[in-house]
Amino acid sequence: IAGITQAPTSQILAAGRRMTLRCTQDMRHNAMYWYRQDLGLGLRLIHYSNTAGTTGKGEVPDGYSVSRANTDDFPLTLASAVPSQTSVYFCASSDSTGGADTQYFGPGTRLTVL
Amino acid sequence: KNQVEQSPQSLIILEGKNCTLQCNYTVSPFSNLRWYKQDTGRGPVSLTIMTFSENTKSNGRYTATLDADTKQSSLHITASQLSDSASYICVVSANGNNRLAFGKGNQVVVIP
Repeated sequence: IAGITQAPTSQILAAGRRMTLRCTQDMRHNAMYWYRQDLGLGLRLIHYSNTAGTTGKGEVPDGYSVSRANTDDFPLTLASAVPSQTSVYFCASSDSTGGADTQYFGPGTRLTVL
Repeated sequence: KNQVEQSPQSLIILEGKNCTLQCNYTVSPFSNLRWYKQDTGRGPVSLTIMTFSENTKSNGRYTATLDADTKQSSLHITASQLSDSASYICVVSANGNNRLAFGKGNQVVVIP
């Protein structure tokens, strides 16, 4: 069982370019999440999905969009990247919502926007 | 203001020694508290989870405590090993809310 996979592992991107970060889980978890982690700020929620077909905004959603066409995949898109989006991005999933279940994190994508 | 505060921000300890990390939170109503370990370049991994009625939980050499009255938790690492070098993140969940409140982490470096 792979758990959660993310791709790419790292990416350098020119400002203004479009970029999609991929996330796939094989645990059949209902809920999925995207976080960014910046030095000194900890993990911040960007978007989440409680179940396939639904999405919601987190703490820092501006400049990002997500989709949840099926249970396994939860891509994160930066329509027009800006340098402030330089960060490490983590995808996570949990069996259910409500905070009762442990969130399992992927290995992260390190994104640099120049 | 962050709802989860951790201290110390960082510490260096000698291999074999013990250390204690602190977490204070203001999240309410409280549901549960987790400690995650994040190795450099990796995603966080859950170590322990405690609900309101639990005041201690162990996972090998890691022991977490919770005082829900004072809204404080600690993570004690016994007989530290080089592999304990990591960031330890305190995460608090509120009742009826799937949003988690994350601390900024305690950066632990174990030296031989």
